[in-house]
Amino acid sequence: QVQLVESGGGVVQPGGSLRLSCAASGFTFSNYGMHWVRQAPGKGLEWVAFIRYDGNNKYCADSVKGRLTISRDNSKNTLYMQMNSLTTEDTATYYCAKDFGLLSGSYSFFDYWGQGTLVPVSS
Amino acid sequence: DIQMTQSPSSLSASVGDRVTITCRASQNIRTYLNWYQLKPGKAPKLLIYGASSLQSGVPSRFSGSGSGTDFTLTITSLQPEDFATYCCQQSYSSPTFGPGTKVDI
Repeated sequence: QVQLVESGGGVVQPGGSLRLSCAASGFTFSNYGMHWVRQAPGKGLEWVAFIRYDGNNKYCADSVKGRLTISRDNSKNTLYMQMNSLTTEDTATYYCAKDFGLLSGSYSFFDYWGQGTLVPVSS
Repeated sequence: DIQMTQSPSSLSASVGDRVTITCRASQNIRTYLNWYQLKPGKAPKLLIYGASSLQSGVPSRFSGSGSGTDFTLTITSLQPEDFATYCCQQSYSSPTFGPGTKVDI
């Protein structure tokens, strides 16, 4: 069965950076785009970034543009996210999610999600 | 960005009830509308995609309808495990989510 396991969360100081990982199993990772989605405490879900199955196309939300790098290692079945210059507005649970589309050039929707990793941004 | 709204924001229901949740998009998204179930500490779960297609493994008591700007998620005969938050998401353009509808007892 599909499993997505995020890691790397924890307290980050304002102005700091974070690197999250998402280990994928149960499907052919290299055939599917992947996303990061976050949820701030008491708020709704917010899509953050997408990377195409081969890593060649990447998109991210305006709220993180210029601060976030999404990447993947298909040989390790792992998705990554690096984000810099964090503020308290970035405090959230970060989820990785699999895109529905097989070998798709762009994103669609999220058919499997991880349980998330919490990133509090606080001094 | 396309804005998504949902109503109601919360509702109270009983086991066996029929529940209807509405989602509205700020512009025409055709049928690029998906529904998710959220529970605290658990992975979000895809229920419905393409406005009305049931995701594999999701019970048939869940159904979706609508097109354009107005959509509905219906749960017939609510079960104890269905008490959760439900949110819609548009995939017509850069993904955006509705604020969620909490279904509790």
